[in-house]
Amino acid sequence: DTAVSQTPKYLVTQMGNDKSIKCEQNLGHDTMYWYKQDSKKFLKIMFSYNNKELIINETVPNRFSPKSPDKAHLNLHINSLELGDSAVYFCASSQLRTGANEQFFGPGTRLTVL
Amino acid sequence: QKEVEQDPGPLSVPEGAIVSLNCTYSNSAFQYFMWYRQYSRKGPELLMYTYSSGNKEDGRFTAQVDKSSKYISLFIRDSQPSDSATYLCAMSAGSGYSTLTFGKGTMLLVSP
Repeated sequence: DTAVSQTPKYLVTQMGNDKSIKCEQNLGHDTMYWYKQDSKKFLKIMFSYNNKELIINETVPNRFSPKSPDKAHLNLHINSLELGDSAVYFCASSQLRTGANEQFFGPGTRLTVL
Repeated sequence: QKEVEQDPGPLSVPEGAIVSLNCTYSNSAFQYFMWYRQYSRKGPELLMYTYSSGNKEDGRFTAQVDKSSKYISLFIRDSQPSDSATYLCAMSAGSGYSTLTFGKGTMLLVSP
């Protein structure tokens, strides 16, 4: 019973292509996130949705567009892929409340842009 | 100055050693402090979290927070080869839609 799942696990594609990554959580959480982890392992927040509403949108190129069809799903669509987009993308979820905001992560999607 | 600083390592220790992993931070608004463990090619896994200053123990792991020094630590007793991973500290202010701010992680290698 995977709590936070992502598909695909690996994605290899050419520059200029458009691709999507999907995320689903079965924890009943109300908030979901996308993070980017670069080659130096730095984990950086990209977006966050709370009850399907965008609440965090860090400085991310507008080629990246998140979509949350419901509380359990958060997808990430990337247009016109660039070499610099190569990274591992992690989805996470939490039950947002005033407090720790413990986040639970998916296994990651390793994106390689050639 | 980065908000959260963490030595990337690698930190190499023999099996059975006591390991100390540390982070410093600059934002005095941080109230919640977490440690995540990330095995190679896996997602980060929450180990434990602490609110404000003090200690918290969970099995072989002890988390310590010193807010006056803006310094947090994770101690691992009787380290095992299975503890070999990257350990990331994370912090939040804990109000409203506060995000987690991560350190860059310390790679730990425990040799048998």
